[in-house]
Amino acid sequence: DGGITQSPKYLFRKEGQNVTLSCEQNLNHDAMYWYRQDPGQGLRLIYYSQIVNDFQKGDIAEGYSVSREKKESFPLTVTSAQKNPTAFYLCVSSRFWTEAFFGQGTRLTVV
Amino acid sequence: EDQVTQSPEALRLQEGESSSLNCSYTVSGLRGLFWYRQDPGKGPEFLFTLYSAGEEKEKERLKATLTKKESFLHITAPKPEDSATYLCAVPVSTSGTYKYIFGTGTRLKVLA
Repeated sequence: DGGITQSPKYLFRKEGQNVTLSCEQNLNHDAMYWYRQDPGQGLRLIYYSQIVNDFQKGDIAEGYSVSREKKESFPLTVTSAQKNPTAFYLCVSSRFWTEAFFGQGTRLTVV
Repeated sequence: EDQVTQSPEALRLQEGESSSLNCSYTVSGLRGLFWYRQDPGKGPEFLFTLYSAGEEKEKERLKATLTKKESFLHITAPKPEDSATYLCAVPVSTSGTYKYIFGTGTRLKVLA
């Protein structure tokens, strides 16, 4: 079945630690996105990529990093510079200008 | 500035009580408007795509419509299983690339 797979579903980060969220898609979509969802704030764009080896900062990129070495994969690293990382993270993929499809999300909690 | 606004923020309905959710948008050159359903703790699930004013799409108890300024998601005779957050989104162009702007959603609760 085609789709977007995010892992892990739950992730716990200690203070000062970097963690990486995985996102893989087999829909042959060119564009991939990372959004952060907080209660009452809607979806905020972190980073996005339209082609391999190229990506752009979204509205809240500080404290995050990404890579796009393969079309199918777009991992997100939450660095220690991100002071408030507790949130629900959603990976999205799409074809040019068409409807976006979501992964099932990763819930990150600082412990 | 490109913007998407949804109303109301929350809506409580009795089972069978029909209503509508609103999604107002301000974008230069609409290239589509998308509706999603999100259940707690899960990623949003795609429902509909609308491309031009006057277009309508239906799925079970849901019907989405589009005008030049807004979209409505009509829910006819809702059931408790329709309880979820409904999101709308539009794609916008930025510096030769494109991204999606989402509304903050409408939390729907249908009471039995």
